[in-house]
Amino acid sequence: GAVVSQHPSRVICKSGTSVKIECRSLDFQATTMFWYRQFPKQSLMLMATSNEGSKATYEQGVEKDKFLINHASLTLSTLTVTSAHPEDSSFYICSAGGGGDTQYFGPGTRLTVL
Amino acid sequence: AQSVTQLGSHVSVSEGALVLLRCNYSSSVPPYLFWYVQYPNQGLQLLLKYTSAATLVKGINGFEAEFKKSETSFHLTKPSAHMSDAAEYFCAVSKKGGNKLVFGAGTILRVKS
Repeated sequence: GAVVSQHPSRVICKSGTSVKIECRSLDFQATTMFWYRQFPKQSLMLMATSNEGSKATYEQGVEKDKFLINHASLTLSTLTVTSAHPEDSSFYICSAGGGGDTQYFGPGTRLTVL
Repeated sequence: AQSVTQLGSHVSVSEGALVLLRCNYSSSVPPYLFWYVQYPNQGLQLLLKYTSAATLVKGINGFEAEFKKSETSFHLTKPSAHMSDAAEYFCAVSKKGGNKLVFGAGTILRVKS
């Protein structure tokens, strides 16, 4: 149980385009979802927390207009990187919580912006 | 504010040897503590968690960790390393009842044959 999927697993895009990443909880309802980014050889940094049906809460220093988060249902959250640039290239990981104390992580999405 | 310090960015052990990965935390409130493992280009898998029950926590794959409040530590151990244990390990802390995780920098475990 507690499986979280992400799609796509890998995406390459041109600078200036937008990219949408989906995060789904497959076998449970996720009241809260989290989005992290991980640079090479570094730890995970929380970008934002989203609760179903409400606006996401962004961490300090994260541009909310650049990283659009939508949590329209209890099983789906999306992260859209708008007008992507090479410095946005990173590994993006989502996690989902079912209301308890544990987060379940997706497999991650590798974004490369050319 | 909460923080996590993982001592040693790289740890190398021989197959069959003891694994010890160190984690110290800082928290102004009673913490929940977690260990996650990450294999290359994959997400994180929960190994074990401490949520204020037993201080010695047993997890998957033979790993365990002990919460020591006096030392503000939550070190991860495994009696006998296996080649498949080679991965990166992250210690994380959250507030009791909260769900926002703060991660340590990670420790890469290498297992030599």
